[in-house]
Amino acid sequence: QVQLVQSGAEVKKPGASVNISCKASGYTFTTYGITWVRRAPGQGLEWMGWISAYNGNTHYAEKLQDRVTMTTDASTRTGYLEVRSLRSDDTAMYYCARDGDLEPLASWGQGTLVTVSS
Amino acid sequence: NFMLTQPHSVSDSPGKTVTISCTRYSGSIASNFVQWYQQRPGSAPTTVIYENNQRPSGVPDRFSGSIDISSNSASLTISGLKTEDEADYYCQSYDNYNRWVFGGGTRLTLL
Repeated sequence: QVQLVQSGAEVKKPGASVNISCKASGYTFTTYGITWVRRAPGQGLEWMGWISAYNGNTHYAEKLQDRVTMTTDASTRTGYLEVRSLRSDDTAMYYCARDGDLEPLASWGQGTLVTVSS
Repeated sequence: NFMLTQPHSVSDSPGKTVTISCTRYSGSIASNFVQWYQQRPGSAPTTVIYENNQRPSGVPDRFSGSIDISSNSASLTISGLKTEDEADYYCQSYDNYNRWVFGGGTRLTLL
C-alpha cells in the first residue's frame, strides 16, 4: 500500500534552516507530485507548495517562496522540504502528501514537528 | 487573493446531521473546485470531499459536499453523526494562479 514516512522531529534556533524528508513506497514515485502543508499550534492548515516528482517543477506559496525549496530524489524515492531563515512562527507540524488519481491529495505522511526556539 | 471563511466550531449529538459552511470572499465559489479535509486529533489530515461533491474511495456516504452560488459558499454535510467524526474540518480551493487557499477550519464536537 502507499506509504509516506517523514523524518523525525527537529528543534532549531531562529535563523537556522531545517530539512524534512518524506520517503515514499508502494507506488511509482515519479508518477505523482508531492504537496507540503503545515499546521502551526492553534492555527489552521497552510499550503506551502507542490513539486512534480516527474520533472522537479515546483509551485510555491507566495509568502514562503523566498525561504522554501522543495526537491525530490527518484533514486531514493524521497521528497525534501527545506525552510531557511527560520522564525518562531515557523513552529508547526509539517506534512507531505501525494497527489491522488482523482482527488488532489490521496496519501499523507505522519507529520514532522519543527520547533523554532532560542 | 481571496479568503475562505468557516465557523470556528459546530456541535451536535450522535445520529444528528450537521452542516459546515465555507464562504468565499472575492471571486465566485464556482470558479475553482472545493475540497474538504478532516483532521482528527493527533493525526494527519485526510480528504473527505473533492471537486465540490465527490467522495474518495473509503469515505462513507454520510459525508456530502455542495456549493451554492447564491451565497457564494460551499458546504460539508455529515449525517448520522458518529463519535469518530469529531475532528477539525477544512475547506480548500485555488486562486487563479493555482495556489491553494484553506479556510480557517471548523472544530466539530459531538455532544
